[in-house]
Amino acid sequence: ILNVEQSPQSLHVQEGDSTNFTCSFPSSNFYALHWYRWETAKSPEALFVMTLNGDEKKKGRISATLNTKEGYSYLYIKGSQPEDSATYLCAFLSPTSGTYKYIFGTGTRLKVLA
Amino acid sequence: NAGVMQNPRHLVRRRGQEARLRCSPMKGHSHVYWYRQLPEEGLKFMVYLQKENIIDESGMPKERFSAEFPKEGPSILRIQQVVRGDSAAYFCASSPATVGRGTEAFFGQGTRLTVV
Repeated sequence: ILNVEQSPQSLHVQEGDSTNFTCSFPSSNFYALHWYRWETAKSPEALFVMTLNGDEKKKGRISATLNTKEGYSYLYIKGSQPEDSATYLCAFLSPTSGTYKYIFGTGTRLKVLA
Repeated sequence: NAGVMQNPRHLVRRRGQEARLRCSPMKGHSHVYWYRQLPEEGLKFMVYLQKENIIDESGMPKERFSAEFPKEGPSILRIQQVVRGDSAAYFCASSPATVGRGTEAFFGQGTRLTVV
């Protein structure tokens, strides 16, 4: 059974603080990892597609890194704002029948306090 | 270009009834994934379909649950003889090809099923 874990489960930070959280996944047979952002009452939206060891992706104040050898990815948010409050999900691509499906972590719930 | 549409958004069923959840993928998307979110839990994979084919149903309970994605029309997740434990949010995602290095999935807003 594939285990994709995220930590912490939830996080409260003050506006302006920087923060980071972790996604751990099996390091063997790595193909790709996706990060999603999920705001309450909306649908998850893709943030990053991570494919290569050492990858670093950036979108505004949010960035992500990838270490496939040790099986983790970090998501960083610089200068958190209240609108960053959401659940951040990582999705590990697991092979199935010659194709792939997502196995999701349980998410990190971020609350940014004004 | 409308996003992934799920309906209904909320569904209430009595124990023993059938629940039918619909998912219309984005235009041009032929891959559909269904996920279930139980209270205080993450998204659990249920089934992966391409048009007229079930690719992977390893996450779907063997009894009472079925899914289809016909050539025409939406994908349907069907739950027969619902029980209280089926109460959850069910999410559908679609993609133009299998999710991978260049392809991400797009999610609907979910159907919240409540069994009373």
